[in-house]
Amino acid sequence: DAGVIQSPRHEVTEMGQEVTLRCKPISGHNSLFWYRQTMMRGLELLIYFNNNVPIDDSGMPEDRFSAKMPNASFSTLKIQPSEPRDSAVYFCASNHGTVKSNYGYTFGSGTRLTVV
Amino acid sequence: AQKVTQAQTEISVVEKEDVTLDCVYETRDTTYYLFWYKQPPSGELVFLIRRNSFDEQNEISGRYSWNFQKSTSSFNFTITASQVVDSAVYFCALSEAGSGGSQGNLIFGKGTKLSVKP
Repeated sequence: DAGVIQSPRHEVTEMGQEVTLRCKPISGHNSLFWYRQTMMRGLELLIYFNNNVPIDDSGMPEDRFSAKMPNASFSTLKIQPSEPRDSAVYFCASNHGTVKSNYGYTFGSGTRLTVV
Repeated sequence: AQKVTQAQTEISVVEKEDVTLDCVYETRDTTYYLFWYKQPPSGELVFLIRRNSFDEQNEISGRYSWNFQKSTSSFNFTITASQVVDSAVYFCALSEAGSGGSQGNLIFGKGTKLSVKP
């Protein structure tokens, strides 16, 4: 089991550029979550999917952020255009998706985004 | 509304001391799940434990133990005989049952930074 795989690990981009973060969840996990971690706000949910369908995107900051899950094994989080205040660590997590399971949410290693 | 409060921002102990990290939660649901995660300096989030709201049994795993008390809405975490490798930020989190039997969003506390000095 390779775990949740995120790419890239680090991204440095200039303000105004488009940034795409990628996530491959654990095979068989039905739910996928995107979180952002900053010193000021801690860990906050951006969006989550269940069976590839977005369930709650209320945490997406504004229209510059968009997320897709075209299939069960891949998701992207896109920021266009990026701004310095988007600098953060972005985590993807997946879980089995049913309350009857006793699994936790498995997190990827995160993408550290720096917008200059 | 759901909320998780970790009142201790930072704790510093000397190796071999016992330390308890506090977690208080708020939820209106009768079915919910509580978690602890560890974030070492390397940055990854490591799952430690999941408890559901119907199981108030305390749990012990090696030097780690968890005390779940619904009466006080607390889910505290104790490390016995702490070690330098325990130095990390520890997050308590809450999720409620989502739609269609799914697990919902994880709500995190702000975290407690634990420093264990040799």
